[in-house]
Amino acid sequence: SQKIEQNSEALNIQEGKTATLTCNYTNYSPAYLQWYRQDPGRGPVFLLLIRENEKEKRKERLKVTFDTTLKQSLFHITASQPADSATYLCALDILNTDKLIFGTGTRLQVFP
Amino acid sequence: DAGITQSPRHKVTETGTPVTLRCHQTENHRYMYWYRQDPGHGLRLIHYSYGVKDTDKGEVSDGYSVSRSKTEDFLLTLESATSSQTSVYFCAIMEGETQYFGPGTRLLVL
Repeated sequence: SQKIEQNSEALNIQEGKTATLTCNYTNYSPAYLQWYRQDPGRGPVFLLLIRENEKEKRKERLKVTFDTTLKQSLFHITASQPADSATYLCALDILNTDKLIFGTGTRLQVFP
Repeated sequence: DAGITQSPRHKVTETGTPVTLRCHQTENHRYMYWYRQDPGHGLRLIHYSYGVKDTDKGEVSDGYSVSRSKTEDFLLTLESATSSQTSVYFCAIMEGETQYFGPGTRLLVL
């Protein structure tokens, strides 16, 4: 079955630096991959979607890469700010369904 | 928030009692989902719906049932709550290829 792995350990970085989060998957070839942000006590919020034929996608300070050979996506936040502190989840589509499978998320903490 | 509300937001109940959680959406979305979120497991799909009276099981459906008699409402029922069902429950809708989530219901089964 499909499996998604995100680093379960929290990522702590200093304000202004670039945060890089990793999403690895196995046993699957998704058509697209998504990243969500989740703040404590709230539901996940969609950030970015990248398709299998796209190498990179950007939105403001966010950048996502998708390497279907390595089965990996990297999520970058440049010029990070304390307000970027949250848990970030990656999600893959399940082929021929309208369902997603989510990773467990990585908690990012940005210190001033 | 894509017009999604969940009720109740918090509930404490006892083992063996039935519990119903409600998800309500205002934008006529066809697809609706119920997830539970637990530490170390992330979001896991319980049940989903692809239209009125059309539902299917997710990966952790045992002990749960759902109903969707109207487009706007998707109900999740725990027939006889167990302590292992203590969790945070999220409802979501699908718009295009993206899911939008409600605020969650925190359920504690004693």
